[in-house]
Amino acid sequence: EPEVTQTPSHQVTQMGQEVILRCVPISNHLYFYWYRQILGQKVEFLVSFYNNEISEKSEIFDDQFSVERPDGSNFTLKIRSTKLEDSAMYFCASSATKSTDTQYFGPGTRLTVL
Amino acid sequence: GESVGLHLPTLSVQEGDNSIINCAYSNSASDYFIWYKQESGKGPQFIIDIRSNMDKRQGQRVTVLLNKTVKHLSLQIAATQPGDSAVYFCAEHFGNEKLTFGTGTRLTIIP
Repeated sequence: EPEVTQTPSHQVTQMGQEVILRCVPISNHLYFYWYRQILGQKVEFLVSFYNNEISEKSEIFDDQFSVERPDGSNFTLKIRSTKLEDSAMYFCASSATKSTDTQYFGPGTRLTVL
Repeated sequence: GESVGLHLPTLSVQEGDNSIINCAYSNSASDYFIWYKQESGKGPQFIIDIRSNMDKRQGQRVTVLLNKTVKHLSLQIAATQPGDSAVYFCAEHFGNEKLTFGTGTRLTIIP
């Protein structure tokens, strides 16, 4: 069964450093998303991406964040200068043909900012 | 404002019994609702969804009920198994692309 994959599973970084979280969405999907989940809290939407551009973003997704689809398979989230409060699980998701299709989530990357 | 919340943070159910997990939402314009299951250290796993023009949908051992009058969503799991132990989230979608998640209910199946 096709699934969303994410790497790395755990990323530890120093405050102020840049990190890139990587995702491979399900191959025939067209909509891509990043969510995050701070420990013990609910999953929060960050950004959606379609047709090589951001289609929606939340107030969390400030200038420190960017997304890219550098090739036909990868979808990345970059945090330019990490802060302690960026520590969270980051989930990538994808959906098939329109935004109301089921969003399938990857296993997540745990980001720890020291 | 937008709000998706859950009535109970934890629920313990005897193995083999049925469980019901509830969710309240506040946006009457929401057009699509989803239940996700999240096991420890894993991403949300799709269980079942329902569109706003429906009031009931059944899957394998799961049923979702939607009551738009009181803005209430429930997930019924029949004949619970140890593997059903997880945190269950409801999520809603309204017009744009993001999902808004509730805070989650931790379901524990007692052997």
